[in-house]
Amino acid sequence: NAGVTQTPKFQVLKTGQSMTLQCAQDMNHNSMYWYRQDPGMGLRLIYYSASEGTTDKGEVPNGYNVSRLNKREFSLRLESAAPSQTSVYFCASSLRWGSNTEAFFGQGTRLTVV
Amino acid sequence: AQSVTQLDSQVPVFEEAPVELRCNYSSSVSVYLFWYVQYPNQGLQLLLKYLSGSTLVKGINGFEAEFNKSQTSFHLRKPSVHISDTAEYFCAVSKLQGGSEKLVFGKGTKLTVNP
Repeated sequence: NAGVTQTPKFQVLKTGQSMTLQCAQDMNHNSMYWYRQDPGMGLRLIYYSASEGTTDKGEVPNGYNVSRLNKREFSLRLESAAPSQTSVYFCASSLRWGSNTEAFFGQGTRLTVV
Repeated sequence: AQSVTQLDSQVPVFEEAPVELRCNYSSSVSVYLFWYVQYPNQGLQLLLKYLSGSTLVKGINGFEAEFNKSQTSFHLRKPSVHISDTAEYFCAVSKLQGGSEKLVFGKGTKLTVNP
Protein backbone atom coordinates (compact mmCIF):
# COMPACT_ATOMS: atom_id res chain seq x y z
CA ASN A 1 0.00 0.00 0.00
CA ALA A 2 1.33 3.41 -0.96
CA GLY A 3 -0.78 5.26 1.64
CA VAL A 4 -0.69 8.99 0.89
CA THR A 5 1.35 10.02 -2.16
CA GLN A 6 2.34 13.60 -2.87
CA THR A 7 3.89 14.99 -6.03
CA PRO A 8 6.23 16.66 -6.62
CA LYS A 9 8.66 16.14 -3.73
CA PHE A 10 10.60 19.32 -4.47
CA GLN A 11 9.75 22.46 -6.42
CA VAL A 12 11.29 25.86 -6.99
CA LEU A 13 9.01 28.63 -8.27
CA LYS A 14 9.55 32.22 -9.21
CA THR A 15 7.35 34.84 -7.56
CA GLY A 16 4.07 35.08 -9.44
CA GLN A 17 4.19 31.62 -10.98
CA SER A 18 1.41 29.14 -10.38
CA MET A 19 1.51 25.46 -9.59
CA THR A 20 -0.62 22.60 -8.30
CA LEU A 21 0.46 20.15 -5.62
CA GLN A 22 -1.07 16.74 -6.11
CA CYS A 23 -2.14 14.31 -3.41
CA ALA A 24 -3.68 10.86 -3.70
CA GLN A 25 -4.56 8.25 -1.08
CA ASP A 26 -5.36 4.60 -1.61
CA MET A 27 -6.90 3.83 1.80
CA ASN A 28 -10.50 4.65 0.85
CA HIS A 29 -10.46 7.53 3.33
CA ASN A 30 -13.24 10.07 3.34
CA SER A 31 -11.40 13.11 4.71
CA MET A 32 -8.30 14.81 3.34
CA TYR A 33 -6.21 17.77 4.50
CA TRP A 34 -3.45 20.12 3.42
CA TYR A 35 -0.99 21.47 6.00
CA ARG A 36 2.07 23.65 5.77
CA GLN A 37 5.05 23.26 8.07
CA ASP A 38 7.36 26.14 8.86
CA PRO A 39 10.31 26.14 11.29
CA GLY A 40 9.16 26.80 14.84
CA MET A 41 5.49 26.99 13.78
CA GLY A 42 4.43 23.36 13.80
CA LEU A 43 1.80 22.34 11.26
CA ARG A 44 -0.97 24.69 10.23
CA LEU A 45 -4.08 23.60 8.39
CA ILE A 46 -4.59 25.29 5.02
CA TYR A 47 -7.73 23.57 3.70
CA TYR A 48 -9.57 20.36 4.36
CA SER A 49 -12.18 18.20 2.73
CA ALA A 50 -14.36 16.38 5.24
CA SER A 51 -15.87 14.23 2.51
CA GLU A 52 -15.93 13.97 -1.26
CA GLY A 53 -17.57 17.04 -2.74
CA THR A 54 -16.86 19.39 0.18
CA THR A 55 -13.94 21.67 0.99
CA ASP A 56 -13.43 24.20 3.77
CA LYS A 57 -10.85 26.73 4.86
CA GLY A 58 -8.45 25.97 7.64
CA GLU A 59 -6.25 28.26 9.65
CA VAL A 60 -4.15 29.78 6.81
CA PRO A 61 -6.09 29.58 3.51
CA ASN A 62 -5.07 32.90 1.91
CA GLY A 63 -3.22 32.47 -1.39
CA TYR A 64 -4.39 28.88 -1.89
CA ASN A 65 -7.21 27.00 -3.54
CA VAL A 66 -8.09 23.32 -3.40
CA SER A 67 -10.00 20.78 -5.44
CA ARG A 68 -11.34 17.45 -4.22
CA LEU A 69 -11.21 15.77 -7.58
CA ASN A 70 -12.66 12.49 -6.38
CA LYS A 71 -12.48 10.40 -3.22
CA ARG A 72 -8.80 9.61 -3.77
CA GLU A 73 -7.38 12.94 -4.88
CA PHE A 74 -7.10 16.36 -3.23
CA SER A 75 -5.01 19.03 -4.93
CA LEU A 76 -3.65 22.34 -3.64
CA ARG A 77 -3.13 25.23 -6.04
CA LEU A 78 -1.01 28.34 -5.68
CA GLU A 79 -2.29 30.84 -8.23
CA SER A 80 0.46 33.44 -7.80
CA ALA A 81 3.29 32.20 -5.63
CA ALA A 82 4.89 34.50 -3.07
CA PRO A 83 8.10 34.05 -1.04
CA SER A 84 5.94 33.74 2.10
CA GLN A 85 4.63 30.48 0.67
CA THR A 86 8.06 28.88 0.88
CA SER A 87 7.34 25.92 3.13
CA VAL A 88 6.98 22.17 3.37
CA TYR A 89 3.47 21.08 2.43
CA PHE A 90 1.89 17.92 3.77
CA CYS A 91 -1.21 16.19 2.58
CA ALA A 92 -3.02 13.90 5.02
CA SER A 93 -6.10 11.72 5.05
CA SER A 94 -8.28 10.04 7.65
CA LEU A 95 -11.01 7.46 7.49
CA ARG A 96 -13.69 9.93 8.44
CA TRP A 97 -14.12 13.43 9.71
CA GLY A 98 -13.57 13.85 13.40
CA SER A 99 -10.63 14.47 15.65
CA ASN A 100 -10.67 10.98 17.14
CA THR A 101 -9.52 9.40 13.91
CA GLU A 102 -5.88 8.94 13.00
CA ALA A 103 -4.49 11.08 10.20
CA PHE A 104 -2.01 9.52 7.74
CA PHE A 105 0.52 11.87 6.19
CA GLY A 106 2.36 11.97 2.89
CA GLN A 107 6.10 12.57 2.76
CA GLY A 108 5.75 16.24 1.94
CA THR A 109 6.51 18.68 -0.85
CA ARG A 110 9.34 21.12 -0.23
CA LEU A 111 8.47 24.34 -2.05
CA THR A 112 10.79 27.29 -2.47
CA VAL A 113 9.54 30.56 -3.96
CA VAL A 114 12.29 32.91 -5.11
CA ALA B 1 -9.97 28.50 22.32
CA GLN B 2 -7.89 25.34 22.33
CA SER B 3 -4.13 25.45 21.87
CA VAL B 4 -1.09 23.36 22.47
CA THR B 5 2.19 24.37 24.09
CA GLN B 6 5.29 22.26 23.79
CA LEU B 7 7.58 23.60 26.43
CA ASP B 8 10.90 22.55 24.92
CA SER B 9 11.91 23.22 21.33
CA GLN B 10 14.98 20.97 21.58
CA VAL B 11 15.85 18.09 23.91
CA PRO B 12 19.29 16.45 23.71
CA VAL B 13 19.79 13.18 25.58
CA PHE B 14 22.25 10.33 25.67
CA GLU B 15 21.40 6.88 24.39
CA GLU B 16 19.65 4.63 26.96
CA ALA B 17 18.68 7.63 29.11
CA PRO B 18 15.02 8.33 29.93
CA VAL B 19 13.26 11.21 28.24
CA GLU B 20 10.15 13.29 28.82
CA LEU B 21 8.74 15.65 26.19
CA ARG B 22 6.29 18.09 27.70
CA CYS B 23 2.96 19.18 26.29
CA ASN B 24 0.29 21.37 27.84
CA TYR B 25 -3.04 22.19 26.30
CA SER B 26 -5.72 24.72 26.96
CA SER B 27 -9.29 23.69 26.66
CA SER B 28 -12.56 24.23 28.43
CA VAL B 29 -14.13 21.06 27.11
CA SER B 30 -13.25 17.42 26.69
CA VAL B 31 -10.37 16.89 24.32
CA TYR B 32 -8.68 14.27 22.26
CA LEU B 33 -4.88 14.36 22.43
CA PHE B 34 -2.22 12.98 20.13
CA TRP B 35 1.52 12.63 19.76
CA TYR B 36 3.00 12.40 16.26
CA VAL B 37 6.63 11.74 15.29
CA GLN B 38 8.42 13.05 12.22
CA TYR B 39 11.67 11.39 11.19
CA PRO B 40 14.03 13.43 8.99
CA ASN B 41 12.62 14.15 5.53
CA GLN B 42 9.45 12.18 6.22
CA GLY B 43 5.82 12.85 6.97
CA LEU B 44 4.22 12.57 10.39
CA GLN B 45 3.33 9.25 11.96
CA LEU B 46 0.97 8.69 14.88
CA LEU B 47 2.73 7.58 18.08
CA LEU B 48 -0.26 7.41 20.39
CA LYS B 49 -3.57 9.03 21.20
CA TYR B 50 -5.83 9.65 24.16
CA LEU B 51 -9.56 9.59 23.49
CA SER B 52 -11.00 8.43 26.83
CA GLY B 53 -10.53 5.80 29.52
CA SER B 54 -7.18 5.02 31.08
CA THR B 55 -5.03 8.10 31.49
CA LEU B 56 -1.84 6.17 30.70
CA VAL B 57 -1.59 5.56 26.99
CA LYS B 58 0.97 3.28 25.38
CA GLY B 59 2.13 3.83 21.83
CA ILE B 60 4.57 2.46 19.32
CA ASN B 61 8.33 2.18 19.80
CA GLY B 62 8.07 2.01 23.59
CA PHE B 63 6.62 5.48 24.09
CA GLU B 64 3.83 6.27 26.53
CA ALA B 65 1.99 9.39 27.61
CA GLU B 66 -0.10 10.32 30.60
CA PHE B 67 -3.19 12.46 30.40
CA ASN B 68 -3.44 14.74 33.42
CA LYS B 69 -6.68 16.68 33.38
CA SER B 70 -5.96 18.77 36.48
CA GLN B 71 -2.64 19.96 35.05
CA THR B 72 -3.91 20.01 31.43
CA SER B 73 -0.85 18.08 30.38
CA PHE B 74 -0.07 15.16 28.09
CA HIS B 75 3.64 14.51 28.49
CA LEU B 76 5.40 11.90 26.38
CA ARG B 77 7.90 9.55 28.00
CA LYS B 78 10.28 6.75 27.15
CA PRO B 79 12.37 4.97 29.82
CA SER B 80 15.37 4.29 27.54
CA VAL B 81 15.91 6.00 24.20
CA HIS B 82 17.77 4.78 21.14
CA ILE B 83 19.67 6.66 18.46
CA SER B 84 16.80 5.84 16.10
CA ASP B 85 14.41 7.91 18.26
CA THR B 86 16.08 11.06 16.97
CA ALA B 87 13.19 12.93 15.36
CA GLU B 88 10.79 15.80 15.84
CA TYR B 89 7.77 15.15 18.03
CA PHE B 90 4.47 17.00 17.79
CA CYS B 91 1.69 17.16 20.34
CA ALA B 92 -1.77 17.84 18.93
CA VAL B 93 -5.21 18.52 20.34
CA SER B 94 -8.64 18.53 18.81
CA LYS B 95 -10.12 21.95 18.25
CA LEU B 96 -13.74 22.88 17.74
CA GLN B 97 -13.91 25.48 14.97
CA GLY B 98 -16.89 26.46 12.92
CA GLY B 99 -18.84 23.48 14.18
CA SER B 100 -16.17 21.01 13.14
CA GLU B 101 -13.29 19.46 15.00
CA LYS B 102 -9.76 19.86 13.69
CA LEU B 103 -6.28 18.97 14.86
CA VAL B 104 -4.16 21.80 16.22
CA PHE B 105 -0.47 21.05 16.45
CA GLY B 106 2.16 22.32 18.84
CA LYS B 107 5.37 23.80 17.47
CA GLY B 108 7.31 20.59 17.90
CA THR B 109 10.19 19.29 20.03
CA LYS B 110 13.35 18.09 18.36
CA LEU B 111 14.73 15.10 20.21
CA THR B 112 18.40 14.34 19.56
CA VAL B 113 19.78 11.11 20.97
CA ASN B 114 23.56 11.12 21.24
CA PRO B 115 25.79 8.04 21.58
